[in-house]
Amino acid sequence: DGGITQSPKYLFRKEGQNVTLSCEQNLNHDAMYWYRQDPGQGLRLIYYSQIVNDFQKGDIAEGYSVSREKKESFPLTVTSAQKNPTAFYLCASSMIPGGDNQPQHFGDGTRLSIL
Amino acid sequence: QQPVQSPQAVILREGEDAVINCSSSKALYSVHWYRQKHGEAPVFLMILLKGGEQKGHEKISASFNEKKQQSSLYLTASQLSYSGTYFCGTEMWGATNKLIFGTGTLLAVQP
Repeated sequence: DGGITQSPKYLFRKEGQNVTLSCEQNLNHDAMYWYRQDPGQGLRLIYYSQIVNDFQKGDIAEGYSVSREKKESFPLTVTSAQKNPTAFYLCASSMIPGGDNQPQHFGDGTRLSIL
Repeated sequence: QQPVQSPQAVILREGEDAVINCSSSKALYSVHWYRQKHGEAPVFLMILLKGGEQKGHEKISASFNEKKQQSSLYLTASQLSYSGTYFCGTEMWGATNKLIFGTGTLLAVQP
């Protein structure tokens, strides 16, 4: 079955530590996205990538970094510069629209907490 | 730039109808609608591309008024399974394939 796999489901970060959230898709989608969701809030875009080896900052990129070395993978690193990392992180992917627009498909998310 | 959704929350009895609105201050290329159950990933409902377009998905439909820069989601004869938070995601002209999500509308359907 095609889909998006995020791991781990739960992650704890110590002060001053960098942590990496994994996102893998086997849908052959070109575009991938990372969102942050805080309790009772909408989804805010952190980074997105439309092609391998290229990515763009979203609205809240400070304190985060990404890489896109393979089409299937788009890991997100939460660095120690991100002072308030506790949130639900969602990865999504979509086809690049050639005609009609394409929906985004989401993974099950990673819940990150500070120790 | 973030679209405004209204109402913020709504409680319904099974079988009742609801309307959720999504308004933008900028011209829209498309509007996406998603539903998220608590602690789960958002699930895609539908995309509206053209002004005035209406789409349907079971008893859930939506309209897109390009001129007014807004979209509405209509839930008719609501079922318990419709409970969740509904988000609109808006795509602007010149920034396609990047969605800006609204803050969501919490819908609770009671027996």
